[in-house]
Amino acid sequence: DVKVTQSSRYLVKRTGEKVFLECVQDMDHENMFWYRQDPGLGLRLIYFSYDVKMKEKGDIPEGYSVSREKKERFSLILESASTNQTSMYLCASSRSEGTDTQYFGPGTRLTVL
Amino acid sequence: AQSVSQHNHHVILSEAASLELGCNYSYGGTVNLFWYVQYPGQHLQLLLKYFSGDPLVKGIKGFEAEFIKSKFSFNLRKPSVQWSDTAEYFCAVSGYSTLTFGKGTMLLVSP
Repeated sequence: DVKVTQSSRYLVKRTGEKVFLECVQDMDHENMFWYRQDPGLGLRLIYFSYDVKMKEKGDIPEGYSVSREKKERFSLILESASTNQTSMYLCASSRSEGTDTQYFGPGTRLTVL
Repeated sequence: AQSVSQHNHHVILSEAASLELGCNYSYGGTVNLFWYVQYPGQHLQLLLKYFSGDPLVKGIKGFEAEFIKSKFSFNLRKPSVQWSDTAEYFCAVSGYSTLTFGKGTMLLVSP
């Protein structure tokens, strides 16, 4: 089975802090994705990556950056956390581009105070 | 750009009732369509998908969906729901490279 793990299930940070969310997949997938999930808004794509050291902006990249130094690991970085970034963050991976099934991690619920 | 519209935000059904969740998409090219489900406290997981071929797609747990190209629709159905189907359901469309999700439908099945 594909396994996507995220470093924390719950995280509480203060406004202005730098926040790192880590995601690891164990199926040698080329593609990795970061979404945020908010009630009534569904999932919105923040960033994605097709290969190591490669990144593409999604629909809502403002306030975020990403890093992919190794194929299995994709990090989401909040340079200076703000209260409007309080959300559930989901990581996903897939074997090929958007046509393929995406496998999701358990999510990190981030609260910014 | 692609977009997805789910008709209902909340649906409440009694056990054994039939289910149909509406999904309409907008995209100019060849699409791939998905339904994902998120059970309480669990990961988002694939319920079923349509890439090509038979427009009636069967998924896990007795769910099915029908792709109607002329109506840009991909509705999810189940003839008889169970309490364990309580979850949030997301329709998604894939164009060339990324998935676009709908806003989700929360289904509550009462025993």
